[in-house]
Amino acid sequence: GAVVSQHPSWVICKSGTSVKIECRSLDFQATTMFWYRQFPKQSLMLMATSNEGSKATYEQGVEKDKFLINHASLTLSTLTVTSAHPEDSSFYICSASSGRIQPQHFGDGTRLSIL
Amino acid sequence: DAKTTQPTSMDCAEGRAANLPCNHSTISGNEYVYWYRQIHSQGPQYIIHGLKNNETNEMASLIITEDRKSSTLILPHATLRDTAVYYCIATERGATNKLIFGTGTLLAVQP
Repeated sequence: GAVVSQHPSWVICKSGTSVKIECRSLDFQATTMFWYRQFPKQSLMLMATSNEGSKATYEQGVEKDKFLINHASLTLSTLTVTSAHPEDSSFYICSASSGRIQPQHFGDGTRLSIL
Repeated sequence: DAKTTQPTSMDCAEGRAANLPCNHSTISGNEYVYWYRQIHSQGPQYIIHGLKNNETNEMASLIITEDRKSSTLILPHATLRDTAVYYCIATERGATNKLIFGTGTLLAVQP
């Protein structure tokens, strides 16, 4: 149980385009999901907390207009990187918990490459 | 969240026990110790968590000192597939509590 799926797993696109990444909790409902970013040889950095039915909470230094988060249902959160540029190339990972006392489980990540 | 300190890297022989230490001297009474690992190019995988009692599951054992200022993750019989970065995180338990990842320990299991 507690499976989190991300799609796509890998995407390459041109500079200036927008890219949407989906995060789904397959066998549980998640009122809260989290989005992380990881650059090569670095640790995971929390970008934002995605709340079902309300606005996301962004960490300091993360541009909310650049990284749009939508959490329209209890099983789906999306991260859209708007007007992506090469410096946005990174590994994006989401996580969710199935309940108040349950640990977070992570998706397999999305590798984004902007040319 | 309490700050945690881990060694940058460790080696372990295949088949032997891997003991990964973590210091969390500023942990508060309601913070749990969580362990995750990240195999290259994958999302982190939950391993185990505990508050003050030792815990064991099918993956590992977690030993927490009586004063809760440090803990050790034990992989009883390490395999090559256990090579990964292991993260120790101290945080309050709850679905809405965010995890702050440090640099972790790169465990290299040697054949």
